[in-house]
Amino acid sequence: NAGVTQTPKFQVLKTGQSMTLQCAQDMNHEYMSWYRQDPGMGLRLIHYSVGAGITDQGEVPNGYNVSRSTTEDFPLRLLSAAPSQTSVYFCASRLSGEINYGYTFGSGTRLTVV
Amino acid sequence: SQKIEQNSEALNIQEGKTATLTCNYTNYSPAYLQWYRQDPGRGPVFLLLIRENEKEKRKERLKVTFDTTLKQSLFHITASQPADSATYLCALDSWGKLQFGSGTQVVVTP
Repeated sequence: NAGVTQTPKFQVLKTGQSMTLQCAQDMNHEYMSWYRQDPGMGLRLIHYSVGAGITDQGEVPNGYNVSRSTTEDFPLRLLSAAPSQTSVYFCASRLSGEINYGYTFGSGTRLTVV
Repeated sequence: SQKIEQNSEALNIQEGKTATLTCNYTNYSPAYLQWYRQDPGRGPVFLLLIRENEKEKRKERLKVTFDTTLKQSLFHITASQPADSATYLCALDSWGKLQFGSGTQVVVTP
């Protein structure tokens, strides 16, 4: 079990460029989420998904798109990068239904937009 | 929307003492309230969860209480150790939507 895998670990973008942050999990988790964390702050929910083909917006969705075509993958797309999107991005997942265990997080992608 | 509040001031505590952290929320009670630990440069790590119909949960030196009337959870670390120094995050889980408080830093000194 690799858990939750995020790629790349580091990325520098120029303003206006687009890119996709990848997130994959091999635990057959239905629920997946994307967060951003700015210095000294908690995690803010960008988008989440409760299963393949189902996504919804979180607290800060503007500037980001997601899709969920398979249970394993939940990519996050930045359409036109802005300096305000400089942040650390985390992906997380968990099983659906009644649980005794919380979310598993990836190790993060550190994104800088210049 | 849900507002989740944690004490933003760092909690400095002596080794062996009990650290108590507070999490307050404003709107609906979640299906699960969860606590995570985050070390610098790392992703959060799950510690404990408590259901809306539970009052207390324990795991080793950790204890969580949940009061849906007060809309509050307390997180206790007993017999604290320097290795417990980290940021602790409260999160509300409503069937796929997990939202976090800003976290409280705990510093345990020998």
